[in-house]
Amino acid sequence: TQLLEQSPQFLSIQEGENLTVYCNSSSVFSSLQWYRQEPGEGPVLLVTVVTGGEVKKLKRLTFQFGDARKDSSLHITAAQPGDTGLYLCAGAGLTGGGNKLTFGTGTQLKVEL
Amino acid sequence: EAGVAQSPRYKIIEKRQSVAFWCNPISGHATLYWYQQILGQGPKLLIQFQNNGVVDDSQLPKDRFSAERLKGVDSTLKIQPAKLEDSAVYLCASSFNFYQGNEQFFGPGTRLTVL
Repeated sequence: TQLLEQSPQFLSIQEGENLTVYCNSSSVFSSLQWYRQEPGEGPVLLVTVVTGGEVKKLKRLTFQFGDARKDSSLHITAAQPGDTGLYLCAGAGLTGGGNKLTFGTGTQLKVEL
Repeated sequence: EAGVAQSPRYKIIEKRQSVAFWCNPISGHATLYWYQQILGQGPKLLIQFQNNGVVDDSQLPKDRFSAERLKGVDSTLKIQPAKLEDSAVYLCASSFNFYQGNEQFFGPGTRLTVL
Protein backbone atom coordinates (compact mmCIF):
# COMPACT_ATOMS: atom_id res chain seq x y z
CA THR A 1 0.00 0.00 0.00
CA GLN A 2 1.37 3.39 -0.97
CA LEU A 3 1.00 6.00 1.76
CA LEU A 4 1.55 9.74 1.57
CA GLU A 5 2.12 11.62 4.80
CA GLN A 6 1.70 15.39 4.82
CA SER A 7 3.06 17.81 7.37
CA PRO A 8 2.06 19.88 9.09
CA GLN A 9 -1.51 18.68 9.53
CA PHE A 10 -2.72 22.16 10.48
CA LEU A 11 -1.21 25.56 9.84
CA SER A 12 -2.54 28.94 10.95
CA ILE A 13 -0.54 31.98 9.85
CA GLN A 14 -0.85 35.71 9.32
CA GLU A 15 -1.24 37.33 5.93
CA GLY A 16 2.13 37.98 4.32
CA GLU A 17 3.96 35.07 5.95
CA ASN A 18 5.66 32.29 4.01
CA LEU A 19 4.98 28.59 4.53
CA THR A 20 6.00 25.16 3.30
CA VAL A 21 3.92 21.99 3.21
CA TYR A 22 5.63 18.62 2.89
CA CYS A 23 4.43 15.38 1.32
CA ASN A 24 6.48 12.26 2.05
CA SER A 25 6.31 8.61 1.13
CA SER A 26 8.45 5.50 1.18
CA SER A 27 7.11 4.65 -2.28
CA VAL A 28 8.20 5.99 -5.64
CA PHE A 29 5.57 7.73 -7.76
CA SER A 30 5.53 8.29 -11.50
CA SER A 31 4.02 11.72 -10.93
CA LEU A 32 2.67 13.80 -8.10
CA GLN A 33 -0.16 16.29 -8.03
CA TRP A 34 -1.16 19.04 -5.63
CA TYR A 35 -4.79 20.01 -5.05
CA ARG A 36 -6.57 22.68 -3.03
CA GLN A 37 -9.99 22.02 -1.61
CA GLU A 38 -12.34 24.62 -0.17
CA PRO A 39 -15.27 23.83 2.15
CA GLY A 40 -18.21 22.27 0.35
CA GLU A 41 -16.29 21.75 -2.87
CA GLY A 42 -14.22 19.05 -4.49
CA PRO A 43 -10.43 19.24 -4.81
CA VAL A 44 -9.09 21.39 -7.65
CA LEU A 45 -5.82 20.51 -9.35
CA LEU A 46 -3.03 23.07 -8.90
CA VAL A 47 -0.07 21.35 -10.54
CA THR A 48 1.40 18.05 -11.70
CA VAL A 49 5.12 17.30 -11.33
CA VAL A 50 6.60 14.41 -13.25
CA THR A 51 10.42 14.54 -13.27
CA GLY A 52 12.58 13.96 -10.20
CA GLY A 53 13.98 17.31 -9.02
CA GLU A 54 11.40 19.25 -11.01
CA VAL A 55 10.39 22.69 -9.75
CA LYS A 56 7.22 24.42 -10.94
CA LYS A 57 6.03 27.90 -10.05
CA LEU A 58 2.45 29.11 -10.12
CA LYS A 59 2.40 32.78 -9.12
CA ARG A 60 3.24 32.73 -5.37
CA LEU A 61 3.24 28.91 -5.17
CA THR A 62 6.38 26.85 -5.78
CA PHE A 63 6.17 23.08 -6.10
CA GLN A 64 9.12 20.68 -5.99
CA PHE A 65 9.32 16.96 -6.70
CA GLY A 66 12.07 15.12 -4.85
CA ASP A 67 14.99 13.67 -6.81
CA ALA A 68 13.92 10.13 -5.89
CA ARG A 69 10.25 10.89 -6.68
CA LYS A 70 9.20 9.88 -3.16
CA ASP A 71 8.49 13.32 -1.75
CA SER A 72 7.32 16.79 -2.69
CA SER A 73 6.91 20.22 -1.19
CA LEU A 74 4.66 23.20 -1.70
CA HIS A 75 5.96 26.64 -0.72
CA ILE A 76 3.68 29.66 -0.58
CA THR A 77 5.21 33.13 -0.50
CA ALA A 78 3.37 36.04 1.10
CA ALA A 79 0.25 34.05 1.95
CA GLN A 80 -3.13 35.69 1.49
CA PRO A 81 -6.54 34.88 3.03
CA GLY A 82 -7.60 33.47 -0.35
CA ASP A 83 -4.98 30.73 0.08
CA THR A 84 -7.01 29.28 2.95
CA GLY A 85 -8.05 25.69 2.29
CA LEU A 86 -7.15 22.03 2.51
CA TYR A 87 -4.02 21.22 0.51
CA LEU A 88 -3.68 17.66 -0.74
CA CYS A 89 -0.88 15.89 -2.51
CA ALA A 90 -1.69 12.85 -4.63
CA GLY A 91 0.64 10.33 -6.21
CA ALA A 92 0.22 8.21 -9.31
CA GLY A 93 1.85 4.78 -8.97
CA LEU A 94 4.49 3.27 -11.20
CA THR A 95 2.73 -0.03 -11.83
CA GLY A 96 -0.07 0.95 -14.17
CA GLY A 97 -2.96 1.63 -11.83
CA GLY A 98 -5.19 3.11 -14.50
CA ASN A 99 -4.81 6.75 -13.44
CA LYS A 100 -5.38 5.73 -9.84
CA LEU A 101 -4.32 8.39 -7.33
CA THR A 102 -3.24 7.92 -3.74
CA PHE A 103 -4.05 11.05 -1.76
CA GLY A 104 -2.05 12.38 1.14
CA THR A 105 -3.36 13.00 4.64
CA GLY A 106 -3.98 16.71 3.95
CA THR A 107 -2.79 20.04 5.36
CA GLN A 108 -5.42 22.48 6.56
CA LEU A 109 -4.17 26.04 6.02
CA LYS A 110 -5.77 29.14 7.51
CA VAL A 111 -4.45 32.57 6.59
CA GLU A 112 -5.69 35.38 8.79
CA LEU A 113 -5.68 39.13 8.19
CA GLU B 1 -18.49 23.44 -19.92
CA ALA B 2 -20.55 21.90 -17.13
CA GLY B 3 -18.63 20.25 -14.34
CA VAL B 4 -19.28 17.02 -12.47
CA ALA B 5 -22.74 17.07 -10.91
CA GLN B 6 -23.66 15.24 -7.72
CA SER B 7 -26.86 14.88 -5.75
CA PRO B 8 -27.98 15.12 -3.10
CA ARG B 9 -25.52 17.58 -1.53
CA TYR B 10 -26.41 16.54 2.00
CA LYS B 11 -28.00 13.42 3.50
CA ILE B 12 -28.74 12.47 7.09
CA ILE B 13 -29.84 8.91 7.86
CA GLU B 14 -30.08 6.54 10.79
CA LYS B 15 -27.65 3.63 11.04
CA ARG B 16 -28.80 0.49 9.27
CA GLN B 17 -30.76 2.54 6.72
CA SER B 18 -29.82 2.60 3.04
CA VAL B 19 -28.76 5.56 0.95
CA ALA B 20 -27.88 6.26 -2.68
CA PHE B 21 -25.79 8.96 -4.31
CA TRP B 22 -25.90 10.04 -7.93
CA CYS B 23 -23.16 11.40 -10.18
CA ASN B 24 -23.20 12.86 -13.69
CA PRO B 25 -19.65 13.20 -15.06
CA ILE B 26 -18.36 15.74 -17.56
CA SER B 27 -19.69 14.99 -21.03
CA GLY B 28 -17.34 12.74 -22.98
CA HIS B 29 -15.38 11.51 -19.95
CA ALA B 30 -15.04 7.76 -20.08
CA THR B 31 -13.58 7.27 -16.61
CA LEU B 32 -15.53 7.85 -13.41
CA TYR B 33 -14.30 7.59 -9.82
CA TRP B 34 -16.02 7.46 -6.44
CA TYR B 35 -14.01 8.60 -3.41
CA GLN B 36 -14.75 8.63 0.32
CA GLN B 37 -13.34 11.58 2.27
CA ILE B 38 -13.40 11.56 6.05
CA LEU B 39 -13.50 15.09 7.48
CA GLY B 40 -10.10 16.79 7.22
CA GLN B 41 -8.43 13.85 5.46
CA GLY B 42 -7.52 13.03 1.88
CA PRO B 43 -9.99 11.23 -0.38
CA LYS B 44 -9.81 7.44 -0.62
CA LEU B 45 -10.71 5.77 -3.90
CA LEU B 46 -13.66 3.39 -3.58
CA ILE B 47 -14.25 2.41 -7.19
CA GLN B 48 -13.16 3.37 -10.69
CA PHE B 49 -15.16 2.78 -13.88
CA GLN B 50 -14.03 2.86 -17.47
CA ASN B 51 -17.24 3.32 -19.47
CA ASN B 52 -19.58 0.79 -17.82
CA GLY B 53 -16.85 -1.58 -16.65
CA VAL B 54 -15.11 -1.66 -13.25
CA VAL B 55 -11.35 -0.96 -13.40
CA ASP B 56 -10.63 -1.01 -9.66
CA ASP B 57 -12.88 -1.72 -6.70
CA SER B 58 -10.24 -3.08 -4.35
CA GLN B 59 -11.09 -0.62 -1.56
CA LEU B 60 -14.88 -0.87 -1.85
CA PRO B 61 -16.48 -2.57 1.20
CA LYS B 62 -18.52 -4.90 -0.93
CA ASP B 63 -20.60 -6.26 1.92
CA ARG B 64 -22.43 -2.93 2.17
CA PHE B 65 -21.34 -0.71 -0.72
CA SER B 66 -22.31 -1.12 -4.37
CA ALA B 67 -21.94 1.04 -7.44
CA GLU B 68 -23.04 0.90 -11.02
CA ARG B 69 -22.65 2.80 -14.25
CA LEU B 70 -25.01 0.90 -16.47
CA LYS B 71 -24.95 3.06 -19.60
CA GLY B 72 -21.41 4.33 -19.17
CA VAL B 73 -22.49 7.83 -18.23
CA ASP B 74 -24.28 8.47 -14.91
CA SER B 75 -23.36 6.46 -11.85
CA THR B 76 -24.94 5.63 -8.51
CA LEU B 77 -23.23 4.60 -5.28
CA LYS B 78 -25.32 2.79 -2.68
CA ILE B 79 -24.72 1.95 0.96
CA GLN B 80 -26.89 -0.71 2.58
CA PRO B 81 -26.96 -0.90 5.57
CA ALA B 82 -25.15 2.26 6.67
CA LYS B 83 -22.85 2.32 9.71
CA LEU B 84 -21.76 5.25 11.85
CA GLU B 85 -18.26 5.11 10.34
CA ASP B 86 -19.71 5.74 6.87
CA SER B 87 -20.21 9.40 7.80
CA ALA B 88 -18.08 11.22 5.25
CA VAL B 89 -18.15 13.23 2.04
CA TYR B 90 -18.56 11.08 -1.06
CA LEU B 91 -16.83 12.64 -4.04
CA CYS B 92 -17.34 11.74 -7.66
CA ALA B 93 -14.69 12.58 -10.24
CA SER B 94 -14.26 12.01 -13.95
CA SER B 95 -11.43 12.05 -16.47
CA PHE B 96 -11.24 11.78 -20.25
CA ASN B 97 -9.81 8.26 -19.98
CA PHE B 98 -8.02 6.07 -17.48
CA TYR B 99 -4.46 6.54 -18.73
CA GLN B 100 -2.07 8.13 -16.25
CA GLY B 101 -1.81 11.87 -16.51
CA ASN B 102 -5.44 12.50 -17.32
CA GLU B 103 -6.71 15.23 -15.00
CA GLN B 104 -9.48 14.19 -12.66
CA PHE B 105 -12.27 16.73 -12.22
CA PHE B 106 -14.19 16.52 -8.98
CA GLY B 107 -17.80 17.23 -8.14
CA PRO B 108 -18.83 19.13 -4.98
CA GLY B 109 -19.53 15.90 -3.08
CA THR B 110 -22.37 14.54 -0.98
CA ARG B 111 -21.98 14.96 2.77
CA LEU B 112 -23.43 11.91 4.54
CA THR B 113 -24.18 11.90 8.25
CA VAL B 114 -25.13 8.58 9.84
CA LEU B 115 -26.78 8.92 13.27
